[in-house]
Amino acid sequence: AQSVTQPDIHITVSEGASLELRCNYSYGATPYLFWYVQSPGQGLQLLLKYFSGDTLVQGIKGFEAEFKRSQSSFNLRKPSVHWSDAAEYFCAVGALFIDKYIFGTGTRLKVLA
Amino acid sequence: NAGVTQTPKFQVLKTGQSMTLQCAQDMNHEYMSWYRQDPGMGLRLIHYSVGAGITDQGEVPNGYNVSRSTTEDFPLRLLSAAPSQTSVYFCASRHRVGPSGANVLTFGAGSRLTVL
Repeated sequence: AQSVTQPDIHITVSEGASLELRCNYSYGATPYLFWYVQSPGQGLQLLLKYFSGDTLVQGIKGFEAEFKRSQSSFNLRKPSVHWSDAAEYFCAVGALFIDKYIFGTGTRLKVLA
Repeated sequence: NAGVTQTPKFQVLKTGQSMTLQCAQDMNHEYMSWYRQDPGMGLRLIHYSVGAGITDQGEVPNGYNVSRSTTEDFPLRLLSAAPSQTSVYFCASRHRVGPSGANVLTFGAGSRLTVL
């Protein structure tokens, strides 16, 4: 079955600390992978995407993610978290010529001052 | 470009009432879709459309109708609202990125619906 798993429902980090949000997927086709961020009361904004090539991708707001095919993972990282990063983060998977995207259940990030 | 515009932002309905959530995009995207977001369940696809006159069901289509008469608009209709349809609804359109043809979704700001 196709699925995206974000094992951490909530994560709390201190401002300035590093961050890693986990995402594992199960998908039959070659995946396209995405991370979206949702601030309270807002829509989803694309942070970064992986289609092919270099497995370490850079996104907006200082985020990066690494695609590891052998582990079926696409974890999101940031070296130093800012208070404004507090939001909910969604991992998603799609594919070429596939019209349905699968989203994870989200990880809510809290940042302590 | 205004991007993806959803109206209304908030709506309260009584059980059995009908309503339409509006979604419009001005980016000439062929693909549009509707998701619902519920706590602990992420985003689930309701319906999608790959172009005017073409719609298809997603993961949770029951209780919802869609049509696509123009490229710009993709309304979502609730014919007889139920409390289980209380949710936040997101419309998204899709565009291709780069020569690979890979696609990226662009989301609207959402519509929060409460059914009493």
